Amino acid sequence: KNEVEQSPQNLTAQEGEFITINCSYSVGISALHWLQQHPGGGIVSLFMLSSGKKKHGRLIATINIQEKHSSLHITASHPRDSAVYICAGSRAYKYIFGTGTRLKVLA
Amino acid sequence: KAGVTQTPRYLIKTRGQQVTLSCSPISGHRSVSWYQQTPGQGLQFLFEYFSETQRNKGNFPGRFSGRQFSNSRSEMNVSTLELGDSALYLCASSLTDSTDTQYFGPGTRLTVL
Repeated sequence: KNEVEQSPQNLTAQEGEFITINCSYSVGISALHWLQQHPGGGIVSLFMLSSGKKKHGRLIATINIQEKHSSLHITASHPRDSAVYICAGSRAYKYIFGTGTRLKVLA
Repeated sequence: KAGVTQTPRYLIKTRGQQVTLSCSPISGHRSVSWYQQTPGQGLQFLFEYFSETQRNKGNFPGRFSGRQFSNSRSEMNVSTLELGDSALYLCASSLTDSTDTQYFGPGTRLTVL
């Protein structure tokens, strides 16, 4: 079992839809990060969570520490949201990555 | 504030050669991490440095090595290149450790022929 598991692997949505990406992690992860990677490779950090919920624009990230589960929500999705979304757990000075969710938002 | 820079951006090498990649972190960041990204394995952790000390290392062979200088700049070296080393190598910097937000560089795309 991977230490950070993410679902779904691929997601296609229509513009305007509400999107949820899920991430489960194992014991020992001290913080959970959501990253965005656009074609071409550049990775941008979206959120770092150790508890609760964070919001930035149309993006919302939540974490449930007891259940070791985090979700990334995108409200009113737009084609420019098309990217790979990666969750990563922090442990012992390193990131442990999920496999990523490839999101395509159609106009 | 300038972002994380990596040089070179693209590199083509042949099997058996060695390569050195460079990473300059954001000013004031003391932690530098290196990652390898391939289509098959995804993102994998290589190593992390803080104040010139390696604090953690991923599950890679000894051909992969790195170092950090007193100005926090970091280099990684891969010796005796293999075809499977073809990948995007990303470096990321943060203030102190991986619980902080990490800022990623654009990566170096290495192709081994």
